[in-house]
Amino acid sequence: GNSVTQMEGPVTLSEEAFLTINCTYTATGYPSLFWYVQYPGEGLQLLLKATKADDKGSNKGFEATYRKETTSFHLEKGSVQVSDSAVYFCADTGGFKTIFGAGTRLFVKA
Amino acid sequence: ETGVTQSPTHLIKTRGQQVTLRCSSQSGHNTVSWYQQALGQGPQFIFQYYREEENGRGNFPPRFSGLQFPNYSSELNVNALELDDSALYLCASSLGDRGFTGELFFGEGSRLTVL
Repeated sequence: GNSVTQMEGPVTLSEEAFLTINCTYTATGYPSLFWYVQYPGEGLQLLLKATKADDKGSNKGFEATYRKETTSFHLEKGSVQVSDSAVYFCADTGGFKTIFGAGTRLFVKA
Repeated sequence: ETGVTQSPTHLIKTRGQQVTLRCSSQSGHNTVSWYQQALGQGPQFIFQYYREEENGRGNFPPRFSGLQFPNYSSELNVNALELDDSALYLCASSLGDRGFTGELFFGEGSRLTVL
């Protein structure tokens, strides 16, 4: 079946550092791709999405580009803040089911 | 606009018991999906309900069952609880049909502990 693989955490960065969290997917066709974020004690919420190849999703300074040729959707942010500390989940949707990666925990130190 | 709400937030059961978890979908959404999130893992798809019918199921045994009601709220039932059922159960609502964008709106979850 389809799967989503993302880099293992935790990732620990200092404030204002550059962030990359890698994500690859195996779904064939043209799934929609998502990044969700889970802040401590809260449910998952959508961070950004891209629905077709070469689309770039962006929100709150985070960006990810849908790369069909490498089946990837890496999350990036140029300058992280302490408030970005959370767990980040990559996901793809083909049909009725959304498949999530295992999550990457990010710690940002002041 | 009312978001997704789940109840109870926490509960403790013993092996062999049965549990019912409840979810109210976001206003205007007709589709509810249930996920199981074990500690340190990503959410695993259990099943989805669309307009009161099961619309797809993940790799979970039949003792996991569900319902969706005419107001699109939903229940997840788990019979014969096992220790491995201990997890956070997430409900997510979305808009099906032509309004489907793939985006899921999650509740905060029900944390089940099985002793």
